[in-house]
Amino acid sequence: DIVMTQSPLSLPVTPGEPASISCRSSQSLLHSNGYNYLDWYVQKPGQSPQLLIHVGSTRAPGVPDRFSGSGSGTDFTLTISKVEAEDVGVYYCVQALQTLMFTFGQGTKLEIK
Amino acid sequence: QLQLQESGPGLVKPSETLSLTCTVSGGSISRSDSYWGWIRQSPGKGLEWMGSIYYLGSTYYTPSLKSRVTISVDTSKNQFSLNLLSVTAADTAVYYCARHLWGYYRYFAQWGQGTRVAVSS
Repeated sequence: DIVMTQSPLSLPVTPGEPASISCRSSQSLLHSNGYNYLDWYVQKPGQSPQLLIHVGSTRAPGVPDRFSGSGSGTDFTLTISKVEAEDVGVYYCVQALQTLMFTFGQGTKLEIK
Repeated sequence: QLQLQESGPGLVKPSETLSLTCTVSGGSISRSDSYWGWIRQSPGKGLEWMGSIYYLGSTYYTPSLKSRVTISVDTSKNQFSLNLLSVTAADTAVYYCARHLWGYYRYFAQWGQGTRVAVSS
């Protein structure tokens, strides 16, 4: 099974500053069709998770452009260009390469300094 | 707009079966582009995908729970259900139902609000 490892697990950030979260998979998530099956979700306090990024770098509809995803194969990064107070929450990377199976990373808790 | 709502008991005794239902509204559960899944979140921990079902009945489970989990669908009621056998305290969690895609794009598109289930005598 594919194991997803995120770092850091806790991320205090000053508003207006950038933030980056790393996600590594134990196997390449690059499909033969050229897509990297790596998604990013955020779970804001008291809410269900919501999709931010899919196939490694495509923002979901309505997601602000300060969020960007990059990477390929086994190494991926979620970057927030300028953190805002509303970005507080837990960020998860998820692999979707294995046939109908999802594996979540441990989550990274972003908090405002 | 498609919405999902979990329902079921909030308290289950150890060794019994946890049963939850997800009701889909605002759209059909029989849509060809969608799978319907269960994800749980144990207290203070991350998210765990448990399994998914297609409206025609094909099921997929996470290996660690495969021996205890059954997911079923009732298209006439626009619902799908989760049964988890022989529960222990480790199964105490918030349980979410969700719709996901599985094709060129693979992601959870909509989530229910979650339902909290405690396992305790």
